This record gives sequence, C-alpha cells and structure tokens, in this order.
Amino acid sequence: SQQGEEDPQALSIQEGENATMNCSYKTSINNLQWYRQNSGRGLVHLILIRSNEREKHSGRLRVTLDTSKKSSSLLITASRAADTASYFCALNNAGNMLTFGGGTRLMVKP
Amino acid sequence: GAVVSQHPSWVICKSGTSVKIECRSLDFQATTMFWYRQFPKQSLMLMATSNEGSKATYEQGVEKDKFLINHASLTLSTLTVTSAHPEDSSFYICSANGGVLSEQYFGPGTRLTVT
Repeated sequence: SQQGEEDPQALSIQEGENATMNCSYKTSINNLQWYRQNSGRGLVHLILIRSNEREKHSGRLRVTLDTSKKSSSLLITASRAADTASYFCALNNAGNMLTFGGGTRLMVKP
Repeated sequence: GAVVSQHPSWVICKSGTSVKIECRSLDFQATTMFWYRQFPKQSLMLMATSNEGSKATYEQGVEKDKFLINHASLTLSTLTVTSAHPEDSSFYICSANGGVLSEQYFGPGTRLTVT
C-alpha cells in the first residue's frame, strides 16, 4: 500500500515559533488526515481535509492540500512546549483504510 | 467524541506463549476495526482489517496464523499473538470505524514485550 512521505523527519524549534511539516504521496486520495502522537501513547486526530478542499483551520493548526502536487502541509503557529510530539499524515484512498506517513518528530524547546 | 479502549495497556510475556489484546468501541458500533503495529520511532503499519462477523483481511507480510483476529461483535475485536517471539515486541494499536464515511477512532495502544 502506498505510504505518505513526511519531511522533515525531525524538527526542533523554540517556543513561540511556527512549525511546518509536509506530507507527499503518490496516488489519488479521498481525504488526508493529520494525527499527533505523544511518546508511547495513542493517536490523537487533529484534522481531516478532503480531496476537494484546499485549506482547513483548527485553532493554531492550519492544513493545506494541493492535489495537483500530491502534497499537504501542517502548520502549527505560536508553538508551545506541549506541542512536542510526533505528527503523522494518513492517507485515505480505499474505503476506510488509512496509510500512515513516516512521521515528523517535533520538539518545542521552552 | 467516540472512545476506543484497549486492554491490556501493556503486557510482558515469555517466548512461546500467546497474548490476547482486546479492542472495544465504548459508545458506538464499529463495523470495521483495524490493527496496527508500531516499532519504536517508526510509523504505524496496518496489519489487518476486520469486519464484524467475517474473516480479517491481512496486509502483505503479516502472518494470519500468528496474528489471529476475531471481530465477534460490533464493539469488540481481539488480536491474539500466538507463540510470541521477542521480535513481536511492539506497540499494537487498534482503531474503529462506525460506517463508510465515519472517522477512525484510535485506541490508546498496547505495549507488548516478549522476553
């Protein structure tokens, strides 16, 4: 199954800065989802963006989707130390199945 | 939002034994449940998809006789790791879906350590 590729693999920023993570994929999708995972914990669903949408916002999160370039980005504005986690994009392209990207490990230094 | 639980949250077992992990949807009926495996600092890899009352569909490379999945009801799916080996040590995560257009809800995961 195809997998999204995320970059960077790791990102370290100072509190207050913005963090941008990118996800690229190869085939068509129904929707793309972003999840967050704290170390050793379960997944938290952040945002779902459908293939006919270009941008969505949720609080400090902004997700864009460019289906022509087969890429998506997750922007976290005004980052906080509590945002430290791994972030995954997940592709929905067949029924309910999700295929996860490799993830970006974000560290926000206080 | 919908809640999915897993039990146990962590388990240590000896090589050669079998371990059963439960995944429950607490406040909705899950027509489909998914099982993922996650090794340290890696992404989630889908192991299998189970639909209530039918056989699970396993991803390529996943041994169905080793990872037994039972989805006996609309709120419960179980994953049994049979004859566990140290290389089966991993974080196992389930998710549940309530319908065709429904979002997937993830359980908190089960950490399995095989000694």
